[in-house]
Amino acid sequence: QKEVEQDPGPLSVPEGAIVSLNCTYSNSAFQYFMWYRQYSRKGPELLMYTYSSGNKEDGRFTAQVDKSSKYISLFIRDSQPSDSATYLCATKAAGNKLTFGGGTRVLVKP
Amino acid sequence: NAGVTQTPKFQVLKTGQSMTLQCAQDMNHEYMSWYRQDPGMGLRLIHYSVGAGITDQGEVPNGYNVSRSTTEDFPLRLLSAAPSQTSVYFCASSLGGTGSSGNTIYFGEGSWLTVV
Repeated sequence: QKEVEQDPGPLSVPEGAIVSLNCTYSNSAFQYFMWYRQYSRKGPELLMYTYSSGNKEDGRFTAQVDKSSKYISLFIRDSQPSDSATYLCATKAAGNKLTFGGGTRVLVKP
Repeated sequence: NAGVTQTPKFQVLKTGQSMTLQCAQDMNHEYMSWYRQDPGMGLRLIHYSVGAGITDQGEVPNGYNVSRSTTEDFPLRLLSAAPSQTSVYFCASSLGGTGSSGNTIYFGEGSWLTVV
């Protein structure tokens, strides 16, 4: 079993819809949870991170962590074609070592 | 401020050849790491460093070597390339500690490596 699991998609939505992305993780010791966005042939860029359980909002993006169920979510409101990318969830351990899910490809259609 | 710079961007190697992927950062970051990305598998940690002179293995270290003689540079060496090492390689760097600065991990643009 992989430490972080993520549905590969692709997830196709019309412009303006809410995009909902999810990951599960297995190690209950993880405290930091990240979401990265990766455009084709580019490096990942950090969207948001959360510490422990709870919600965090940044503009159109909301990240949620439920440690009791080991579930990580990212919501993108009012999605735009420029949001089309692969979204990677990750957990962070000491030494800033990241464990990634496999990524979900998102396509926002105009 | 160039961020994290990786070279080369593309490379084709023959089986058995050796090469070094270069990674440099100009942000005075203590932590640096190397990941490889294969289709459907996300990024997997190869080696990491928490400071000059300190390195350790990640999830998939076999066939790779690293050293960290300066804060700025963290080269990744392929000792004897194999087709299984065909992948996209990403270097990352960050400050240590908790809070926003310690949790913002920057990635380079990637190095595409093909071993034939």
